[in-house]
Amino acid sequence: EVKLVEYGGGLVQPGASLRLSCEASGFTFSDFYMEWIRQAPGKGLEWIAASRNKANDYSTVYSASVKDRFTISRDTYKSILYLQMNTLKPEDTAIYYCAREVRDWGQGVMVTVSS
Amino acid sequence: DIQMTQSPSSMSASLGDRVTITCQASQDIGNNLIWFQQKPGKSPRPMIYYATNLANGVPSRFSGSRSGSDYSLTISSLESEDMADYHCLQYKQYPLTFGSGTKLEIK
Repeated sequence: EVKLVEYGGGLVQPGASLRLSCEASGFTFSDFYMEWIRQAPGKGLEWIAASRNKANDYSTVYSASVKDRFTISRDTYKSILYLQMNTLKPEDTAIYYCAREVRDWGQGVMVTVSS
Repeated sequence: DIQMTQSPSSMSASLGDRVTITCQASQDIGNNLIWFQQKPGKSPRPMIYYATNLANGVPSRFSGSRSGSDYSLTISSLESEDMADYHCLQYKQYPLTFGSGTKLEIK
């Protein structure tokens, strides 16, 4: 059974940094693209970052809204996906989901950016 | 970037009604589209893959179709458990883009 569990969210001040983690199990982590997707309160879904699979050298892609501030990475030995978020803004406030090829989703973790 | 224009943004229908939600793609996405259902406080659940393929465990009253650049999710006979938000997603190319969502309420 595919399982994705996000953690690391919380309340931070504008300009701060935060790292989210997503523990993956039930599949061969290196074989799959992994995504981060977020949802601001009461709003729609927004894709923000992808880590391609091993066959594609784990190359990364970002949305314009987070490029140069967020970094997606993985620890392939621990099967953990990360999202390093720097220079956080109030508009980054959202539930952050990790997903396996947008088909299997974690439960999400809340990030609140506020002073 | 590919824009996905979803309509309606909200709708109210009666139990047993036939309901259709549509997403229009601004560029060719082939059939690379997923429909998600999302209930309050829950993660999105894939309902339809590759525009027309029912995901495992999804009731047969749900179906997906395509006409040109228009993609539709249809519920043939609405049940109370179908009250939810619905989102489309194109995965033809990065950046992946979602429609703006449809809130489906039961009259």
